[in-house]
Amino acid sequence: EVQLVESGGGLVQPGGSLRLSCAASGFTFSSYDMNWVRQAPGKGLEWVSYISASGTGFYYADSVKGRFTISRDNAKTSVYLQMNSLGTEDTATYYCARGHFLFDPWGQGTLVTVSS
Amino acid sequence: DVVMTQSPLSLPVTLGQPASISCRSSQSLVHSDGNTYLIWFQQRPGRSPRRLTYEVSNRDSGVPDRFSGSGSGTDFTLKISRVEAEDVGLYYCMQVSYWPWTFGQGTKVEIK
Repeated sequence: EVQLVESGGGLVQPGGSLRLSCAASGFTFSSYDMNWVRQAPGKGLEWVSYISASGTGFYYADSVKGRFTISRDNAKTSVYLQMNSLGTEDTATYYCARGHFLFDPWGQGTLVTVSS
Repeated sequence: DVVMTQSPLSLPVTLGQPASISCRSSQSLVHSDGNTYLIWFQQRPGRSPRRLTYEVSNRDSGVPDRFSGSGSGTDFTLKISRVEAEDVGLYYCMQVSYWPWTFGQGTKVEIK
């Protein structure tokens, strides 16, 4: 079964950092691009970042560019999101999703709360 | 950026009746490879998004055939032929033809 499991969320103060992880299983991870998408409480979906299957290509939404870094470890079948300089506007559930044109499946999400 | 505009934003529906959600893009979603990368997602309350259709009209396995996607260029539609109670939730369109990828605002489907 194809599965994505996010972890690493929690409460962090404004200006702080957090690293999210997404562990993949049930498919050949190294063959698939991966994404992070977030959803603020009660709000819609926002694409955050993309990384190519090889890890050499990546894109970011303007709202996180320069603050967030996406990476992956194909040996550990995991993708990561390093989040620095967090602001209250980054409070959201963060999901990882498989594929460039696919966006299927999604993980269950991990909640990041930025608050003092 | 490509702006995705959904309507309506709220859709009360009677059980067994049809429902239709529109999604319009600010520019054509035809990719340079000739395909149109428009996806529909369903998000049930408290759950992660689930893909329903991709490339406009291809329904995912396990998705009931009462769901259908259609459209072209800048104008797309998700139809539910007969709404069931389990269809309650939020529905989003998303374009993955042009960076940055963008979502519609979401349409809330509820039972009257």
